[in-house]
Amino acid sequence: AQKVTQAQTEISVVEKEDVTLDCVYETRDTTYYLFWYKQPPSGELVFLIRRNSFDEQNEISGRYSWNFQKSTSSFNFTITASQVVDSAVYFCALSGPTGANNLFFGTGTRLTVIP
Amino acid sequence: NAGVMQNPRHLVRRRGQEARLRCSPMKGHSHVYWYRQLPEEGLKFMVYLQKENIIDESGMPKERFSAEFPKEGPSILRIQQVVRGDSAAYFCASSLVLAVGDEQFFGPGTRLTVL
Repeated sequence: AQKVTQAQTEISVVEKEDVTLDCVYETRDTTYYLFWYKQPPSGELVFLIRRNSFDEQNEISGRYSWNFQKSTSSFNFTITASQVVDSAVYFCALSGPTGANNLFFGTGTRLTVIP
Repeated sequence: NAGVMQNPRHLVRRRGQEARLRCSPMKGHSHVYWYRQLPEEGLKFMVYLQKENIIDESGMPKERFSAEFPKEGPSILRIQQVVRGDSAAYFCASSLVLAVGDEQFFGPGTRLTVL
């Protein structure tokens, strides 16, 4: 069965600090996709990244970077030089079992960036 | 190019009433997913529909909940005889094709409050 664990419930950092949000997943599929979404206080879900299981190359997008390690079943998300606007709940998600397309979400990490 | 539309954004019902939540997918998308987010929790998959067909309802409660996606018009999530435990944010997502990991675009959500 698919499972996503985000062990960090809440994190607080001071502005300009770097912060890493952890995501560990479980799946028996050989082909799967991992996602990160941001949910700001306004409540909508903002797509950040999608990564397939065959692509372990790390990705950087501005201040955001992602570290995918299949060996440890982790897909961690780092924000460099955090800003107050980064304050949100961040969700990691895993695609459903082969043949299904629903997403399995972790419980989220609430990030607060203190000015 | 409008994104996924959901209405109403906020809905208040008294116990025992019916709640109808609407979702219009992105233009050209024929796959719709409904997720529920209980307070302080991650999103949980409820149901996946294509036009006129329920494909996967494994996440739907067995009673009081139903969903449809007619040939014309929005997808509807219907909750009969609401109870306080139904208070949650309900998100709709749509995708263009059916493929594991295909990006799902989320609507802004409907926040249901049951008094």
